Amino acid sequence: DAGVTQSPTHLIKTRGQHVTLRCSPISGHKSVSWYQQVLGQGPQFIFQYYEKEERGRGNFPDRFSARQFPNYSSELNVNALLLGDSALYLCASSPDRVTGYTFGSGTRLTVV
Amino acid sequence: QQQVKQSPQSLIVQKGGISIINCAYENTAFDYFPWYQQFPGKGPALLIAIRPDVSEKKEGRFTISFNKSAKQFSLHIMDSQPGDSATYFCAASYQGAQKLVFGQGTRLTINP
Repeated sequence: DAGVTQSPTHLIKTRGQHVTLRCSPISGHKSVSWYQQVLGQGPQFIFQYYEKEERGRGNFPDRFSARQFPNYSSELNVNALLLGDSALYLCASSPDRVTGYTFGSGTRLTVV
Repeated sequence: QQQVKQSPQSLIVQKGGISIINCAYENTAFDYFPWYQQFPGKGPALLIAIRPDVSEKKEGRFTISFNKSAKQFSLHIMDSQPGDSATYFCAASYQGAQKLVFGQGTRLTINP
């Protein structure tokens, strides 16, 4: 069985640009969450989507947005990129609530 | 109150020894405490998890000890092996929450 797949694996963007990160959950998983992991720190919660609706949002500015599609895949969008947005962005899926989340390998975003 | 504090930041253990990582929390509503293992370039992988109705859970060489009154929990890795060298994160969540709150991580090195 395929795990959580994220694309792209690496990305370099310039300050002020926007970026779209993509996530395909494990088949049958309806919940997708996004986390930001800055180097040397633990992951920080950004969003959770369940059945295509936003169910939770972390302490991130409005430049961050996300959506979930009918096939339960998800996109994370970040506008007006800042140097501080450089991080590993992780997607995690679960069949229902927060327990038992499976993480993807992440997208490494570098903002220059 | 949403913080989970993890220690130590880094740990070096000889092969065959016991690795111990500690976490403390403040939010008494937390009812799910997982530990994740992360290798470089990969997303966190669930190792073992515990709920506060038990004081200990063991899976193979990995044991979680939970002290509800002290609001602390720890991961013990018995017979530590070089392949256990990774970064370990404790986390916490509660029913109704849509997110995991992660500790800051412990970089574990097992010397052969």
